Amino acid sequence: NAGVTQTPKFRVLKTGQSMTLLCAQDMNHEYMYWYRQDPGMGLRLIHYSVGEGTTAKGEVPDGYNVSRLKKQNFLLGLESAAPSQTSVYFCASRRAGGPYEQYFGPGTRLTVT
Amino acid sequence: GENVEQHPSTLSVQEGDSAVIKCTYSDSASNYFPWYKQELGKGPQLIIDIRSNVGEKKDQRIAVTLNKTAKHFSLHITETQPEDSAVYFCAASKAGNQFYFGTGTSLTVIP
Repeated sequence: NAGVTQTPKFRVLKTGQSMTLLCAQDMNHEYMYWYRQDPGMGLRLIHYSVGEGTTAKGEVPDGYNVSRLKKQNFLLGLESAAPSQTSVYFCASRRAGGPYEQYFGPGTRLTVT
Repeated sequence: GENVEQHPSTLSVQEGDSAVIKCTYSDSASNYFPWYKQELGKGPQLIIDIRSNVGEKKDQRIAVTLNKTAKHFSLHITETQPEDSAVYFCAASKAGNQFYFGTGTSLTVIP
C-alpha cells in the first residue's frame, strides 16, 4: 500500500516550458487535491476533485490546469511556466464522507528559471 | 473566502515543557479544524482534528481546543520531546471540501 505518490520529485524548468505533475493514490479515495507550499505562506489550494471526471478551482488556480480521468490519478499541468510558480507542490487525497483526514504525498520541488 | 491566521511563527521550548499554538478563522461556517505536522522534506501528516460540535479533544500528549464564539482554536503539546520538533499547520474547512491553512509554526524542542 503505497498511499499517495508524486512524480517527479524534483524538476527544473525554463520560463515558458510546460510540464505535468502526476499524483497517484491506491486508497480508492474520491477526493484529491493539489496544493502549493511557499515559505511563510503555508499551503494554498490550487485545484481539487471530488470524484473521477470532476475538477474545481481552489484559492490560487491561475496558470494551472488539472485533469482527473481515472479515480486514482490527479494530474496538474503548467502550460507556460513562470518564475512565480517556483514552489513545492503537494498532492493529497481523502475518502468521501467522513472522516475528513487528508493523506499527503511527499511533494514535488519545482524551480522555474 | 476563509482566512486562517496562526501564531507564533516560531516557538522554542525546553524538553518536557508544554507548547501552545493558536489559530483564528474568519468564516463561521467552517466546521472542521485539523492540525498537521510536517517534518523536513516530507508531506504534512494529520496529528489531531476537531469538529465544531466539540470543544476539546485529546490524544495522549496532544490536545486541541475550539472556541466557536471567538473563532479560534489551539494546539497543546505537553511533555514535549525532541521528536516533536517540526512545522505545525492548522487548517479550517467547511465539510471537508476546500481546506484553508495557516502559515505554520516551526517548533524546536531543546534537549
